[in-house]
Amino acid sequence: DAGVTQSPTHLIKTRGQQVTLRCSPKSGHDTVSWYQQALGQGPQFIFQYYEEEERQRGNFPDRFSGHQFPNYSSELNVNALLLGDSALYLCASFDQGANTEAFFGQGTRLTVV
Amino acid sequence: DAKTTQPPSMDCAEGRAANLPCNHSTISGNEYVYWYRQIHSQGPQYIIHGLKNNETNEMASLIITEDRKSSTLILPHATLRDTAVYYCIVRVDQAGTALIFGKGTTLSVSS
Repeated sequence: DAGVTQSPTHLIKTRGQQVTLRCSPKSGHDTVSWYQQALGQGPQFIFQYYEEEERQRGNFPDRFSGHQFPNYSSELNVNALLLGDSALYLCASFDQGANTEAFFGQGTRLTVV
Repeated sequence: DAKTTQPPSMDCAEGRAANLPCNHSTISGNEYVYWYRQIHSQGPQYIIHGLKNNETNEMASLIITEDRKSSTLILPHATLRDTAVYYCIVRVDQAGTALIFGKGTTLSVSS
């Protein structure tokens, strides 16, 4: 049983560009959350998707948007990239109905130059 | 902001018990204490959680004080592979509630 998978693992983008990160949740999980982790800091909650809708959002600008597909996979989009967006982006999934603990992927390391 | 306070770093000898403290003096009655850890270059991993009773699983034990204002995560026999950042988080035990991470405690286990 595959856990949470994220792609790509590493990415380099130029300031001002747009990026899309992808996440496939653990089998049986229907809810996906995204987190941003800057170097030396704990993960910060960006938003959460359930039933293809954004259900909760952290303190992140509108440049950060997302989507959830019918198969529960999810995308995180960031527009107009800033140098400060360089971070490890983590996806976590869980089963809303079972209230299981969150399972995290290995993350995507985004570098903005 | 995180509702917990943890020491930034701790050291432990391999084979000894690692006791990681966490203060959560403003915890509400319906909030649980969760522990996650993050090994370098990996995503956080769930360890254990509890409300007010002590909890134990195959990874660790969680001791919560009677007033619930602090807790201790115990790794009974630390190994080199337990070297990681450990995060203590308080949250309601409700599906969908976001995890609010602080900076955690960096545990270094040495031989």
